[in-house]
Amino acid sequence: ETGVTQTPRHLVMGMTNKKSLKCEQHLGHNAMYWYKQSAKKPLELMFVYSLEERVENNSVPSRFSPECPNSSHLFLHLHTLQPEDSALYLCASSPSSGGGQETQYFGPGTRLLVL
Amino acid sequence: DQQVKQNSPSLSVQEGRISILNCDYTNSMFDYFLWYKKYPAEGPTFLISISSIKDKNEDGRFTVFLNKSAKHLSLHIVPSQPGDSAVYFCAASGTGSARQLTFGSGTQLTVLP
Repeated sequence: ETGVTQTPRHLVMGMTNKKSLKCEQHLGHNAMYWYKQSAKKPLELMFVYSLEERVENNSVPSRFSPECPNSSHLFLHLHTLQPEDSALYLCASSPSSGGGQETQYFGPGTRLLVL
Repeated sequence: DQQVKQNSPSLSVQEGRISILNCDYTNSMFDYFLWYKKYPAEGPTFLISISSIKDKNEDGRFTVFLNKSAKHLSLHIVPSQPGDSAVYFCAASGTGSARQLTFGSGTQLTVLP
């Protein structure tokens, strides 16, 4: 595997379900990110982890819970979501500590539908 | 309020011609700018970047121009090819509170054969 991978690629869940999104980067990077992309809107930054520590939390509701067990893996735990949380969830990584003049590399995303 | 704006949601260009995609920003702290390309069902792919110390960066058919005084950047694709049809996102980052990437809403480019 190369680059940034995400599983699952598609997910349908009810509002009472609990599910998790997984991201893995094979680039040796130190920073990882979760973004949300809703239709016709810019990518919205949710969380940033640098060297396994959360360094940014962009006012995301607590029904989204990130976890970064090591610098290669990032999870997004989902519980009691709302239909308006339906979106494309993108994971990204970058070489250094997150932010500044760095290029981020994205995974293919998980398309989430909340019923 | 959006700090990075792509005012054209779509653009159609004939194959072989030049495609020009535009992006405006409002935050003076931005000093690094990127363009990403996104195909359906895939994540954004990095295309080209430019630092604020430059006004032009070229990579093959892709050139990015930066006009700091106007807070405007553009991506030129010459010649355009049907495979370039995708959504193009402009993004910017800087220092302090602007250190994370801020994205525009994207422009759908369609290159007609």
